Amino acid sequence: GIQVEQSPPDLILQEGANSTLRCNFSDSVNNLQWFHQNPWGQLINLFYIPSGTKQNGRLSATTVATERYSLLYISSSQTTDSGVYFCAVCGGSNYKLTFGKGTLLTVNP
Amino acid sequence: DVKVTQSSRYLVKRTGEKVFLECVQDMDHENMFWYRQDPGLGLRLIYFSYDVKMKEKGDIPEGYSVSREKKERFSLILESASTNQTSMYLCASSATGLTTQYFGPGTRLTVL
Repeated sequence: GIQVEQSPPDLILQEGANSTLRCNFSDSVNNLQWFHQNPWGQLINLFYIPSGTKQNGRLSATTVATERYSLLYISSSQTTDSGVYFCAVCGGSNYKLTFGKGTLLTVNP
Repeated sequence: DVKVTQSSRYLVKRTGEKVFLECVQDMDHENMFWYRQDPGLGLRLIYFSYDVKMKEKGDIPEGYSVSREKKERFSLILESASTNQTSMYLCASSATGLTTQYFGPGTRLTVL
């Protein structure tokens, strides 16, 4: 099956800093999503982005499908951005998402 | 807004008990999913369903079964709970085709 690798595994920032999270995948995909898991465990959708670039406020994402990677940019980070960020991909037609291990982001005041 | 709800946030059961985890979505989605999340192992798919009464095994179906009698409801059943099924269980739903999966708040199950 598809392998998904996220980097870095951990990231510590000061409030106001920018960051880039990376997701590499081993095969072509037709679905890629970025999630933020809050401290209570809820997975919140950030982007559905199998290709191209999207922006939502301070967050943006780019997927280069031909090179099998996606990037999540967080600008002017806030303490509420803390949590685990997951990349998940689907490579087939059965809608099954394969998740990366996540990036644990800590934003300090 | 899509809403996916799960019957309990926290649940404590004893070894050997039959456990039902319920998931309900309000967006008329065809697809529903059950995942478990464990430290160091990430999220893994247990079962999914693409229509009423239809189900397919995910990566780790052993020890679990599912039921989907109505489109909006997808149940995960632990026939005889064991301590290695202590985990966070997450339900998700999506419309047909390759679309966004929406997750519920999760159920943290502890089996003693």
